[in-house]
Amino acid sequence: DAGVIQSPRHEVTEMGQEVTLRCKPISGHDYLFWYRQTMMRGLELLIYFNNNVPIDDSGMPEDRFSAKMPNASFSTLKIQPSEPRDSAVYFCASSVRVAGGHEQFFGPGTRLTVL
Amino acid sequence: GEDVEQSLFLSVREGDSSVINCTYTDSSSTYLYWYKQEPGAGLQLLTYIFSNMDMKQDQRLTVLLNKKDKHLSLRIADTQTGDSAIYFCAESEGYSTLTFGKGTMLLVSP
Repeated sequence: DAGVIQSPRHEVTEMGQEVTLRCKPISGHDYLFWYRQTMMRGLELLIYFNNNVPIDDSGMPEDRFSAKMPNASFSTLKIQPSEPRDSAVYFCASSVRVAGGHEQFFGPGTRLTVL
Repeated sequence: GEDVEQSLFLSVREGDSSVINCTYTDSSSTYLYWYKQEPGAGLQLLTYIFSNMDMKQDQRLTVLLNKKDKHLSLRIADTQTGDSAIYFCAESEGYSTLTFGKGTMLLVSP
């Protein structure tokens, strides 16, 4: 398996523009997580899905952020309009329930820079 | 809410042992994890321990859990330069979301 795939790996955009980050989870995994990582705040959970259904989006910072999972193999995180404070590395992770807990498999991340 | 605290930085010499410490506040934690993040990459699970265990050993890694004090540690024996990375402690209540610490940057010098 190729692991969790994220695109793009790097995104540079100007303030006010729409940004869409994409994620393909590992096949067979039924949980998908979106995280944001910054030096100041560390790793923050934004939203997670179970069987394509959003379960908890309390970490989404504001209405400018939205996430969808139209099917088991694809999810998007959209920021509209983007602001410089959204600059961060965004990770997607997927997992499946197993005995002994669960292991979240992380993608390589998308480094977003908003100018 | 739940909180996980870690020291931010640790520097050791190659061949020494490294000990990374973590404290957590959630007494309902059932699983505790150590993840490793190398530069430019996502997090990768190193090991985990169930809350009814005191210790788990996996090759060069030893995890110690003091549930009374809510203290978790990761010991890396014979630390190598390739172990230089950021190490994250995380906790969860059964099968639920993970709460991560801010990470400890481990620097291993030759």
